[in-house]
Amino acid sequence: GENVEQHPSTLSVQEGDSAVIKCTYSDSASNYFPWYKQELGKRPQLIIDIRSNVGEKKDQRIAVTLNKTAKHFSLHITETQPEDSAVYFCGLENSGGSNYKLTFGKGTLLTVNP
Amino acid sequence: DAGITQSPRHKVTETGTPVTLRCHQTENHRYMYWYRQDPGHGLRLIHYSYGVKDTDKGEVSDGYSVSRSKTEDFLLTLESATSSQTSVYFCAIRAGGYNEQFFGPGTRLTVL
Repeated sequence: GENVEQHPSTLSVQEGDSAVIKCTYSDSASNYFPWYKQELGKRPQLIIDIRSNVGEKKDQRIAVTLNKTAKHFSLHITETQPEDSAVYFCGLENSGGSNYKLTFGKGTLLTVNP
Repeated sequence: DAGITQSPRHKVTETGTPVTLRCHQTENHRYMYWYRQDPGHGLRLIHYSYGVKDTDKGEVSDGYSVSRSKTEDFLLTLESATSSQTSVYFCAIRAGGYNEQFFGPGTRLTVL
């Protein structure tokens, strides 16, 4: 099945700095790439996603970039705030079949220090 | 919250007992999923359903079974719980016509 590697596993930044989390994958047929944020004790929440026909997508302070040739996609958070502290998961889906299954990375614990 | 509820939210049980977790949705979504979440492993798919009575295995299905007799309910059963099944279990739905998956609030299961 699909495999996705997520790095780093932990990331600590100062408030106001930028944070970047990267995921690499092997299945070239993957065509949907979501990012989820999970606060302690809560459910994962979808924060942004990108489809394979787009190279970049932004939503206020967060952005996702996709490099299909190199098979990697990244989450960028600018002007980080303490409330951005959470675990972030990348995911991918091969929608070419009929199964619509997501495969997730193992997560990145982001800590934003005031 | 995409109209997803899970029950129970917390459960403590003993090794060897059967356990059933329930996922309920109110928006008539076709696709439903069960994941488990463990430290260092992220979210792993146990089973999923693509319609009433239509289910298939995920990557960690051993020791679990599922049933979906009506659109709104997706049940996950541990036939004989083991300590390795101590985990947080999340149900999810796939929004119709789109790729997005939305998660339920989770069930924390402890097997002693």
